[in-house]
Amino acid sequence: DGGITQSPKYLFRKEGQNVTLSCEQNLNHDAMYWYRQDPGQGLRLIYYSQIVNDFQKGDIAEGYSVSREKKESFPLTVTSAQKNPTAFYLCATLSGGGDEQFFGPGTRLTVL
Amino acid sequence: QKEVEQNSGPLSVPEGAIASLNCTYSDRVSQSFFWYRQYSGKSPELIMSIYSNGDKEDGRFTAQLNKASQYVSLLIRDSQPSDSATYLCAVAGPGYSSASKIIFGSGTRLSIRP
Repeated sequence: DGGITQSPKYLFRKEGQNVTLSCEQNLNHDAMYWYRQDPGQGLRLIYYSQIVNDFQKGDIAEGYSVSREKKESFPLTVTSAQKNPTAFYLCATLSGGGDEQFFGPGTRLTVL
Repeated sequence: QKEVEQNSGPLSVPEGAIASLNCTYSDRVSQSFFWYRQYSGKSPELIMSIYSNGDKEDGRFTAQLNKASQYVSLLIRDSQPSDSATYLCAVAGPGYSSASKIIFGSGTRLSIRP
């Protein structure tokens, strides 16, 4: 069953804590992305990676970090430096032809 | 000025009618255009992509692109209650590839009333 999995589906964080959101794909796609979506808003790019061991900052990278040690995995860490982390986080890949983005089911993060 | 603009809605359309969703973009060199559908609490799914001026039809959906006016639209014919969702317009620059970014609009919320 091919696709993108994100875990957990819901995540609660206390202020000052770092949390890591998981994203795994078995589509064999090279490029992976992390987006943030706030209520009534579009998607804003946090980080993206074109290839293993390489990643680039997006428009709102401050307070976030990523790694790309394996092609299948692109975890996102929300650090305590991110002042307003409550949002819906979406992981995506890009098809080999560079045409279609596939999205995971998302993780909803809430700061208590 | 936002790079990709959409009317936030909600847009209310009677069942069976045509729903028309509009999007404008600011970067004249944009070359790839996408429409995503997003149900509440779910992730976006691609429903249409268009790259050249004119119309592109896929079932009940028609995408229209006018690069001179920097305008892209989505028509949904015979609207069904299952079409009720938020529709995101997305635009990518030339040489769209993993090295490029896709810019998303904030979405238009569509409601199909019985």
